[in-house]
Parts: sequence; C-alpha cells; structure tokens
Amino acid sequence: GDSVTQMEGPVTLSEEAFLTINCTYTATGYPSLFWYVQYPGEGLQLLLKATKADDKGSNKGFEATYRKETTSFHLEKGSVQVSDSAVYFCALSADNQGGKLIFGQGTELSVKP
Amino acid sequence: DTGVSQNPRHKITKRGQNVTFRCDPISEHNRLYWYRQTLGQGPEFLTYFQNEAQLEKSRLLSDRFSAERPKGSFSTLEIQRTEQGDSAMYLCASSRLRDRGWGNTIYFGEGSWLTVV
Repeated sequence: GDSVTQMEGPVTLSEEAFLTINCTYTATGYPSLFWYVQYPGEGLQLLLKATKADDKGSNKGFEATYRKETTSFHLEKGSVQVSDSAVYFCALSADNQGGKLIFGQGTELSVKP
Repeated sequence: DTGVSQNPRHKITKRGQNVTFRCDPISEHNRLYWYRQTLGQGPEFLTYFQNEAQLEKSRLLSDRFSAERPKGSFSTLEIQRTEQGDSAMYLCASSRLRDRGWGNTIYFGEGSWLTVV
C-alpha cells in the first residue's frame, strides 16, 4: 500500500542553520503531498502542500518541491529559528483512498540558540 | 471558521470503563476523519465519514471502537471496555471535498488525550 518514509530524528541545529528533512513516498496513483508541524502537546498544523509533480509548496520560510521522478518531497528552510522546534510530519493523500492522509513517522527538530 | 474542536482535551479513565470523544468539524466540511497517535509516532488513520456515511474503517478500529456522525455535522468516537493499549491522542480532522476531488486540505483539531490506568 501507499507509504511515507522520513529521515529519523531528532535533528539538532543551531539557530540560523540550514534545514533539510528528507521525505520519500510510495504510491500507486498521483497523490497530493503535505508537511504538517506539531508543537508539544498540540494537534497538527498544515505547513505546506503540493498537489502535482514539480509544484513547490512554501510557507513561513519553509519549502518543499514535489519530485515525481525521485518520489520525494524534502522539506527545507534556509535559516531556522528556535521557534521552529517541533515535530514535522510528511504525508500523502490519495483521492482513490478517500483523501485520507498517510503519515511518515515524524522528525523531531530541536533548534538551539 | 473556528477550526476543528475536540472535547474533552484530556481524559483519564480506569481500565474497563467506556469513554467518548466529541469532534466538531469546520462548518461546511463534509469529510471528517479520526486518527490515533501514540508517543513518537505519526498519526494512524482510524475511520472517516463523508457527510453522515462512514465510508472506511481501519483494521485498527476494533469492535470496542465505534464512531458516529448522525447528522453529518459533529462526530463521536466511543471506546468501550478501555485497555491500557488504548492510551493515545485521538485526533479529529475535517476537509471539504471539492468538485475535482483531489488536493483537499485536511485540518486537524487539538486532539483528545486518553490515559487508561
């Protein structure tokens, strides 16, 4: 079945460092791809999304490009802040599966001042 | 929109008791999803509704779990005879199915934490 694999965490960076969190997927159709962020004790917030190949999603300095040839959707940010510390989830959604989200295991990011 | 609302936010119960969680989706969202999340893991799909119809149930949803969405608006998730393994955060989410049916964004509530002691 469809699945999402993320790089394992935790990832620890210094403030203003460059961030990459790898995400690859397996899907039979043409899914939409998402990044969600979860702060401690809270639910998930949509960070960005892309609905077709070569689309770039971006929000709050984060961006990710839907790469169909490598089945990837890596999350990047040029300069992280302490406030970016959270758990990041990559997910896919396929309409032939009711649009439900299938999540990766999450990657914890810790940014130190 | 006020967002997806879940109640209660936290519930501690004794093993064997029944618990019920409520979810109020974003208004006019016709799809409603339930997920379960344990510490250090990504959310796992449990079930979803389109309007009042429950269209899919995961294998994770044992006979002790039941979800309803009687009028196509709010939903309840009941767990009967709770077990310690049921301890998790239960997330509700909603979306609006668009005409083309793809790319619909799913919005999550804050979650309901269940601790079974």
